[in-house]
Amino acid sequence: GIQVEQSPPDLILQEGANSTLRCNFSDSVNNLQWFHQNPWGQLINLFYIPSGTKQNGRLSATTVATERYSLLYISSSQTTDSGVYFCATNSNSGYALNFGKGTSLLVTP
Amino acid sequence: EPEVTQTPSHQVTQMGQEVILRCVPISNHLYFYWYRQILGQKVEFLVSFYNNEISEKSEIFDDQFSVERPDGSNFTLKIRSTKLEDSAMYFCASTTGGGGTEAFFGQGTRLTVV
Repeated sequence: GIQVEQSPPDLILQEGANSTLRCNFSDSVNNLQWFHQNPWGQLINLFYIPSGTKQNGRLSATTVATERYSLLYISSSQTTDSGVYFCATNSNSGYALNFGKGTSLLVTP
Repeated sequence: EPEVTQTPSHQVTQMGQEVILRCVPISNHLYFYWYRQILGQKVEFLVSFYNNEISEKSEIFDDQFSVERPDGSNFTLKIRSTKLEDSAMYFCASTTGGGGTEAFFGQGTRLTVV
């Protein structure tokens, strides 16, 4: 199946800092999503972004499908941004979303 | 906003017992999924379901697992004889179309097998 690699695995930021999370994938995809897993374990949809760029408040994402990567930008980070960020994709032929191992983000006051 | 709902939020069961996890997908969605996440690990695909049959399943989804859409709204995952290693968070998800459409996840059921 498709391989999804996320970096960095862990990130500590001071409140107000900016960060970029990266997701590389091994094959052509027809879906790419970014999720935030909160401390209660819920998966919160951030972006559905198989290609192009989207912005939602302090968050934005870019997927370059031809180069098989996606980036999630967090600006002016807040303590509530803490948690694990997952990238997930599925191949052109599959139903299943393949998740990366996530980036664990801690934002300190 | 429509959402996927799962019940129960937590379940503790004894090894060897059967459990049924329940999900109500978003009403106009046609494809339904179960995923699991063992503590501290990534989310793993179990099974997808469309038109009252399994459309894809992973190696994890062996004979002890089954899925069913017993009525027009519920989608269930049954684990026949639970093992300690089945302890995990189980997520239900749904989509309007197949693999290329946005997936929406429920809040999860945390299953603990003792």
